[in-house]
Amino acid sequence: KAGVTQTPRYLIKTRGQQVTLSCSPISGHRSVSWYQQTPGQGLQFLFEYFSETQRNKGNFPGRFSGRQFSNSRSEMNVSTLELGDSALYLCASQTGGGADEQFFGPGTRLTVL
Amino acid sequence: QQQVKQSPQSLIVQKGGIPIINCAYENTAFDYFPWYQQFPGKGPALLIAIRPDVSEKKEGRFTISFNKSAKQFSLHIMDSQPGDSATYFCAASDVRDDKIIFGKGTRLHILP
Repeated sequence: KAGVTQTPRYLIKTRGQQVTLSCSPISGHRSVSWYQQTPGQGLQFLFEYFSETQRNKGNFPGRFSGRQFSNSRSEMNVSTLELGDSALYLCASQTGGGADEQFFGPGTRLTVL
Repeated sequence: QQQVKQSPQSLIVQKGGIPIINCAYENTAFDYFPWYQQFPGKGPALLIAIRPDVSEKKEGRFTISFNKSAKQFSLHIMDSQPGDSATYFCAASDVRDDKIIFGKGTRLHILP
């Protein structure tokens, strides 16, 4: 069974630009969660999608948005990039949610210059 | 109340030693406590998890100890090896809202 895939793996953008990251969950998994990982803050929850609906949302500004498609693939978008958005963005998939094991992808390393 | 506080931030242990990583929480509705291990360049991977109805769980060299009254749980790694060097995250989940809250992580280095 293929694992969680994220594209691209690395991205360099400049302030003010926008970016779209993609996540393909494990086949059969309907829940996709997104996290921002930084050295100072650890893993911070962005949002979770289940069957194309946003089920949970973390405390991030509206510049961070996401969506999920009917095949469970998910994208997250960050608009008007700021230097502080530089981070590793991780996607995790689950069968359902909550206490199910989360399977993480390798992440997308975003650098904002 | 949604935080999970993890300590220490970093830990260096000699091979064969027993590193201990501690976590504390406030939300009594948390009912699932997983630990994740992350190697450089990889996403976190589930290592071991516990529910509050047991006080200890062992899987191989990894043990979780859980103290419900103190709202604390910890990870012990027996006979630690250099290959255990990684970042470890504790986490907690409330089944009512399906969110998993992570601690800030502990960078563990096992000296050969």
